[in-house]
Amino acid sequence: GAVVSQHPSRVICKSGTSVKIECRSLDFQATTMFWYRQFPKQSLMLMATSNEGSKATYEQGVEKDKFLINHASLTLSTLTVTSAHPEDSSFYICSAKTGVGRTDTQYFGPGTRLTVL
Amino acid sequence: QKEVEQNSGPLSVPEGAIASLNCTYSDRGSQSFFWYRQYSGKSPELIMSIYSNGDKEDGRFTAQLNKASQYVSLLIRDSQPSDSATYLCAVIVSGYSTLTFGKGTMLLVSP
Repeated sequence: GAVVSQHPSRVICKSGTSVKIECRSLDFQATTMFWYRQFPKQSLMLMATSNEGSKATYEQGVEKDKFLINHASLTLSTLTVTSAHPEDSSFYICSAKTGVGRTDTQYFGPGTRLTVL
Repeated sequence: QKEVEQNSGPLSVPEGAIASLNCTYSDRGSQSFFWYRQYSGKSPELIMSIYSNGDKEDGRFTAQLNKASQYVSLLIRDSQPSDSATYLCAVIVSGYSTLTFGKGTMLLVSP
């Protein structure tokens, strides 16, 4: 149980294009999903917290107009990188939270590797 | 301020030995503690969660939590080369829904 999928797993795009990444919780309902970014040999960096049916909460320094997050249902959240540039090339990982309170375990998707040419 | 500290390593152990990974956290209000394993180029994978003081065992893994000293550790018994990865300690502070990660400890298990 507690499987999170991401699609696509890898994407290469030209500078200036927009890229959409999907994150799905396959066997549970996730009231909260999270989006992270990880550059090579660096720590995971939380970008935003996404709650179903409400606006995402972005971490300081993350541009909400550039990284659009939609959490349309309890099993799907999407991250759209708008007008992508080479510096946006990174490993994007989503996670989904099960339960509430102390049973608030996060399970991670397999990640999406974005390369912007 | 929420901080989670880990030694970056690498921690090198021979196959079959016990690997001991440590983590300290700054906020006494922390309630939930997790260990994730991340292989190079892959996303984190949950190994253990622990919420109460003491030990929690799952197969070759044992998580230990000491809230008074504000540390959490992970022991890996009978270490295997396949255990070579970066181990991330993560904490949820009371009142927050987000994980605060340490920078991770790289473990190398040599055959």
